[in-house]
Amino acid sequence: QLQLQESGPGLLKPSETLSLTCTVSGGSVSITNYYWGWIRQPPGKGLEWIGSMYHSGSTYYNPSLKSRLTISVDTSKNQFSLKVTSVTAADTAVYYCARHRLLAPARVAENWFDPWGQGTLVTVSS
Amino acid sequence: QSVLTQPPSVSAAPGQRVTISCSGSSSNIGNNYVSWYQHLPGTAPKLLIYGNNKRPSGIPDRFSGSKSGTSATLGITGLQTGDEADYYCGTWDNSLSVVFGGGTKLTVL
Repeated sequence: QLQLQESGPGLLKPSETLSLTCTVSGGSVSITNYYWGWIRQPPGKGLEWIGSMYHSGSTYYNPSLKSRLTISVDTSKNQFSLKVTSVTAADTAVYYCARHRLLAPARVAENWFDPWGQGTLVTVSS
Repeated sequence: QSVLTQPPSVSAAPGQRVTISCSGSSSNIGNNYVSWYQHLPGTAPKLLIYGNNKRPSGIPDRFSGSKSGTSATLGITGLQTGDEADYYCGTWDNSLSVVFGGGTKLTVL
């Protein structure tokens, strides 16, 4: 059974870099036709997609966050990671990692996330 | 402001049927598949529907999905108290990004 687990610091100061890792067990990050994605949920708000990466390097980022984002995949460790630079209080959220089925661009794009990690709360505060 | 529009809340009695709408545009729902997620506070979101109307293994047939034009609908029949959760729709936008709805809180009265 595929399982994902997020890890990383839970408290950051403004202007610091957020770094999270998602460890995948029960399956390989090198699987074909699946990306690996990050999604976040700020307190009291809805889900926001951050970005997704294929093991070969193809990446899609949320345009509103793109300038501060880096997603990478480490096939040797069966992990993928997220870095967000210059964080502010607006980056405070529960961060989830998930396997991302993405067939796009396509005539009719297919896209869904399953399974998800349990999530990790990241707070940005001085 | 979410790209996809959902009602903030819906409610119904146990055993009843409820629907949750998700409205978008031709650049997202109108030309791509829709997925739906159930999110109970403090837990991992769960995929309920993918490909507009397909259920992953283990999801009961009380949950159904449909799409027409630029809108999609999640239906839940035989409501149970355990169905109280937030529900989100999601799809691909042709601007090369994933978009979600703002979420709908389901209350089972």
